[in-house]
Amino acid sequence: EAGVAQSPRYKIIEKRQSVAFWCNPISGHATLYWYQQILGQGPKLLIQFQNNGVVDDSQLPKDRFSAERLKGVDSTLKIQPAKLEDSAVYLCASSSVESSYNEQFFGPGTRLTVL
Amino acid sequence: DQQVKQNSPSLSVQEGRISILNCDYTNSMFDYFLWYKKYPAEGPTFLISISSIKDKNEDGRFTVFLNKSAKHLSLHIVPSQPGDSAVYFCAVLVAGTALIFGKGTTLSVSS
Repeated sequence: EAGVAQSPRYKIIEKRQSVAFWCNPISGHATLYWYQQILGQGPKLLIQFQNNGVVDDSQLPKDRFSAERLKGVDSTLKIQPAKLEDSAVYLCASSSVESSYNEQFFGPGTRLTVL
Repeated sequence: DQQVKQNSPSLSVQEGRISILNCDYTNSMFDYFLWYKKYPAEGPTFLISISSIKDKNEDGRFTVFLNKSAKHLSLHIVPSQPGDSAVYFCAVLVAGTALIFGKGTTLSVSS
């Protein structure tokens, strides 16, 4: 079974530029999550999708971050414009609704550096 | 305010000895408690979990203990191996929602 795929793995941009990250979850997983992990911290949820609907985006900075999950499969997370404090690893995870405790499978992450 | 606290940023243990990682949480409504392990440049991987109705769960060398009255969770690794060296995250959740993570504890196992 293929795992969660993310691209790119690394990205360096200047502040005020735009950036987009892509995630392909495990086949058949209805729930998809984007987490932000700042250095020295644990991952923090940005947005949770169930199929192509948003379940929780309460911690997403909506003035600059956006995310979509077209057709309930792949997802894209965008930052526009980026700030220095957005430097972090962006993790995508997916889970099956059949999992009793929402076991989440994580991708390798995208490390973003904003200069 | 942090709902999940891992107060020890790091832990060093000798190979073959026991590693004990600790976690405290604030909300008694959490349904599940999980431990994730993370190697550099990789995403976190699930290690072991326990539901709120249990107080112990064991899987090979890994045992998780839950003390609900103290709102405390611990992970025991016996015996510790060099390959266990990683960052360990405690995570909690209410069923159907996303995980809430602690800051992590870096475990170093020396041979």
